[in-house]
Amino acid sequence: EIVVTQSPATLSVSPGEGATLSCRASQSVSSNFAWYQQKPGQAPRLLIYAASTRATGIPARFSGSGSGTEFTLTISSLQSEDFAVYYCQQYDNWPPSWTFGQGTKVEIK
Amino acid sequence: QVLLQESGPGLVKPSETLSLTCTVAGSSINGGYYWGWIRQSPGKGLEWIGSFYHSGTTYYSPSLKSRLTISVDSSKNEFSLKLNSVTAADTAMYFCARVDIAVAGFPFDNWGQGTQVTVSA
Repeated sequence: EIVVTQSPATLSVSPGEGATLSCRASQSVSSNFAWYQQKPGQAPRLLIYAASTRATGIPARFSGSGSGTEFTLTISSLQSEDFAVYYCQQYDNWPPSWTFGQGTKVEIK
Repeated sequence: QVLLQESGPGLVKPSETLSLTCTVAGSSINGGYYWGWIRQSPGKGLEWIGSFYHSGTTYYSPSLKSRLTISVDSSKNEFSLKLNSVTAADTAMYFCARVDIAVAGFPFDNWGQGTQVTVSA
């Protein structure tokens, strides 16, 4: 079973600043990697898939990179609506399984 | 627009069976998708529970496999989860979600709003 380790657990950022979130998979997942944003009381929303492709309607300030075991989500200039919890997730294609990271809370500094 | 809606009892007694249904609108259960269940314990992260492919093949989390059954009712365009012998550790928000196999990396691209299930006597 692939384990996904996400860091940091909490990130304190001032509006307008950038943020970098990281995830590491315990074995290579190629580019089968996604990022989600979750706000209180809401379901997660897909931000990035295939490691670096923005989902429909996601602003360009969100970008993803990485492959294999190391992945990064970068938010270039945080807006008020970006303060939330972010989860990474890997997909293992045999047998099909999905694993989430523990989450990073991005809070206002 | 794809809509997923979870339904089921909000309170389940310990040792009993948790049963939830996800009703899908705007997308056929029989299309090229995986459909799955994910849960989130209070104040915790997301945990994949299990998924099925339209062919009927199911895939379960190893940690829940012995207690879990996911089934499909194509005539109603819905799928269900049954988790037996529940304990307080199964208290969580339960989400159903879709994976479009045409999307690279197989992410969950559509989610239900979630339903809270509490295990308590």
